[in-house]
Amino acid sequence: EAQVTQNPRYLITVTGKKLTVTCSQNMNHEYMSWYRQDPGLGLRQIYYSMNVEVTDKGDVPEGYKVSRKEKRNFPLILESPSPNQTSLYFCASKWGANTDTQYFGPGTRLTVL
Amino acid sequence: AQSVTQLGSHVSVSEGALVLLRCNYSSSVPPYLFWYVQYPNQGLQLLLKYTSAATLVKGINGFEAEFKKSETSFHLTKPSAHMSDAAEYFCAVSVPYFGNEKLTFGTGTRLTIIP
Repeated sequence: EAQVTQNPRYLITVTGKKLTVTCSQNMNHEYMSWYRQDPGLGLRQIYYSMNVEVTDKGDVPEGYKVSRKEKRNFPLILESPSPNQTSLYFCASKWGANTDTQYFGPGTRLTVL
Repeated sequence: AQSVTQLGSHVSVSEGALVLLRCNYSSSVPPYLFWYVQYPNQGLQLLLKYTSAATLVKGINGFEAEFKKSETSFHLTKPSAHMSDAAEYFCAVSVPYFGNEKLTFGTGTRLTIIP
């Protein structure tokens, strides 16, 4: 089954404790992206990757890091989480063109205390 | 830069009634437009998309949307609402240029169906 998986689905942590949210897709997509969803703000892009070893900032990159060492994986790293990073996070992937459908993971609900 | 405005953060309709969710876009170049649906505790899935072919686009679950350039709109409609349509709906825009072919999302509209 074609899918985007994320782990963990739920995470409660404390300020300053480094964490990683994993994302994996099995569709051989080139483009991958991370979004955060906050009430009243919709989804905002954090980082994206056009292909392996190619990553760049989206609209709200502060406090986040990413890496793309393999085509299928695109982990999101919070080196020192803060309460304002409490949010619902989605990973997405697509082939690459503007017209392509983005496929979304199930989401990771992160709470930073 | 492109942007999307969704009018009405909450919309309630009776079962069997017309569903109309509004979306207006802003873009300096011809855009590609998408509607995504998010069911509770799930990720987003594509309902339909406009990619400069036919202006009336049909999607899954009986939804359709019409691209109107003169009104810069891409409203989502369904003739008869079903209880299973209760969800949050997001309009999104993408512009064709090499680089970050990202989606820019609206703030979402939560659709409630009244039995």
